[in-house]
Amino acid sequence: ETGVTQTPRHLVMGMTNKKSLKCEQHLGHNAMYWYKQSAKKPLELMFVYSLEERVENNSVPSRFSPECPNSSHLFLHLHTLQPEDSALYLCASSQQGTELEQYFGPGTRLTVT
Amino acid sequence: AQSVAQPEDQVNVAEGNPLTVKCTYSVSGNPYLFWYVQYPNRGLQFLLKYITGDNLVKGSYGFEAEFNKSQTSFHLKKPSALVSDSALYFCAVREYNFNKFYFGSGTKLNVKP
Repeated sequence: ETGVTQTPRHLVMGMTNKKSLKCEQHLGHNAMYWYKQSAKKPLELMFVYSLEERVENNSVPSRFSPECPNSSHLFLHLHTLQPEDSALYLCASSQQGTELEQYFGPGTRLTVT
Repeated sequence: AQSVAQPEDQVNVAEGNPLTVKCTYSVSGNPYLFWYVQYPNRGLQFLLKYITGDNLVKGSYGFEAEFNKSQTSFHLKKPSALVSDSALYFCAVREYNFNKFYFGSGTKLNVKP
């Protein structure tokens, strides 16, 4: 295991639902990330939090709302999603200011119906 | 603009043969380079990285990669492929003084018995 956990592992939601994805890292890192992984496309960086402050937004639609209450936890709140938002959502963490690589969680497979 | 290219969507190799998965990058400063592997329904796992020093870096599971600054490449290699190496491989680059990682679109490696 990488030390990064994500829940739930699978989620099916309708377009009018509201749900949240959770990520937790047990590595003492100070930066956390949300990525979207769609088939045959590069990993899309959605959000970066460094020292609990959002530093990157990459023009993500407002129907995705991140929250980072502390350096160990990261949430992605979802509402009124579209079918094209169906993808694997990956959380990662790293230690800012070092040469360390990112550590990834197992991902949440999201299906929007 | 920073970017990573993996020119092959898929690489097929017979078990026991050497394998190469290609990666080229574009970054304005000195790069940190990474390779990750993703097995089905799993997150990305770190394989190896180049930070500085010897151009040939060794990583997990017998993989190695060669940094070539003049060709801006960082190809992943293994002398003898195993069926269990079959997975999706991602190359990533990061500028040394920034905390943002750029990923390629991935290369599916198929190792046949």
